[in-house]
Amino acid sequence: DTGVSQDPRHKITKRGQNVTFRCDPISEHNRLYWYRQTLGQGPEFLTYFQNEAQLEKSRLLSNRFSAERPKGSFSTLEIQRTEQGDSAMYLCASSLMHKTANEKLFFGSGTQLSVL
Amino acid sequence: AQKITQTQPGMFVQEKEAVTLDCTYDTSDPSYGLFWYKQPSSGEMIFLIYQGSYDQQNATEGRYSLNFQKARKSANLVISASQLGDSAMYFCAMRETGSGNTGKLIFGQGTTLQVKP
Repeated sequence: DTGVSQDPRHKITKRGQNVTFRCDPISEHNRLYWYRQTLGQGPEFLTYFQNEAQLEKSRLLSNRFSAERPKGSFSTLEIQRTEQGDSAMYLCASSLMHKTANEKLFFGSGTQLSVL
Repeated sequence: AQKITQTQPGMFVQEKEAVTLDCTYDTSDPSYGLFWYKQPSSGEMIFLIYQGSYDQQNATEGRYSLNFQKARKSANLVISASQLGDSAMYFCAMRETGSGNTGKLIFGQGTTLQVKP
């Protein structure tokens, strides 16, 4: 179990540029989540996948954001035409689907995005 | 709509003492789970403890225990014998398992805990 890994750890970009983040979940986990966290706040849900299907997207996820999980393994989150308000920590988490509420999410260390 | 409230932005505790971090929640789903996560300055979210809405006993995990009061919709985290390494941000989170079990967690705003030597 190597844990959830995210790449890159840090990304600095200029306003208007596109950025892409990658998340590699724990190998046997079939669910993958993206969250956004700003300084001093709790993580906000963005979207989630069950296997390769994107089953839910938050209203926070504008049309500049797109996420994929093409083979049900790793996932990418792309932000087009970045804005300064996109500056945040982007967290990825994975889990093994559970019939009850006791489904633990395992988080990566996040990608810190700074838009100048 | 589900909601998690943590009213303590920051807390201090003396090393080796116990501390309680407050969490209240709101949901209309009778089946739900409550979680606490720790986030040290390194950024990674670390799972601490889980309580199910139908669990009869309060959850415990080592020095962590959850004071679950269902009627009051509160799920406070108790850390006993605080250590310097407990200094971190702590998040309460909830998952509903009603129609459409998405698995997603909804998080509170967090409480920053500082342990004094």
